[in-house]
Amino acid sequence: DSGVTQTPKHLITATGQRVTLRCSPRSGDLSVYWYQQSLDQGLQFLIQYYNGEERAKGNILERFSAQQFPDLHSELNLSSLELGDSALYFCASSPNPGEYYEQYFGPGTRLTVT
Amino acid sequence: AQSVAQPEDQVNVAEGNPLTVKCTYSVSGNPYLFWYVQYPNRGLQFLLKYITGDNLVKGSYGFEAEFNKSQTSFHLKKPSALVSDSALYFCAVRKVGAGSYQLTFGKGTKLSVIP
Repeated sequence: DSGVTQTPKHLITATGQRVTLRCSPRSGDLSVYWYQQSLDQGLQFLIQYYNGEERAKGNILERFSAQQFPDLHSELNLSSLELGDSALYFCASSPNPGEYYEQYFGPGTRLTVT
Repeated sequence: AQSVAQPEDQVNVAEGNPLTVKCTYSVSGNPYLFWYVQYPNRGLQFLLKYITGDNLVKGSYGFEAEFNKSQTSFHLKKPSALVSDSALYFCAVRKVGAGSYQLTFGKGTKLSVIP
């Protein structure tokens, strides 16, 4: 158990809908990262937050957004969902945004868009 | 840009034999390198990392990796494979001093240890 929690574990929704994925980082970690894992794209970095502020953006679609709250939990919002958004979404955390710190991953949320 | 290549989609090894999972990377400067393992229906677990110093890095569960700058490689090794090592292994890279903290992952290598 990495100490990173994600809810829900599974989510099934229809195209065009909006969902929110939630992540709680390890105790004491200030940085949160979101990744998308799909069979064709592999693991793709989406976005990073540090202590409530956005620090880095990767291959995140404009339909997707995220935020980190004062208690350091983070939410990833996915809207106007398409079939191709079906994937595993991982949250990871690290103590600070230092380059050499490893990231600790949560168990993931499996999103299925029908 | 930075990238990682894991040339083998699958590696099969007999239990008790040594295992190697290959990784090569591409960055324009010095790299930080990481190995993660993913068991079915689980998140990624950190195994080990190379930051600086000794080219041979030891990590969790008896795994080690050797950094080779001239060959831009960071192969994962274990002297004696266990059936429980069967999983998906990911190599990842981050450029030193880039100011970016995202990890770039390889496609993953499925390791199967045969009893």
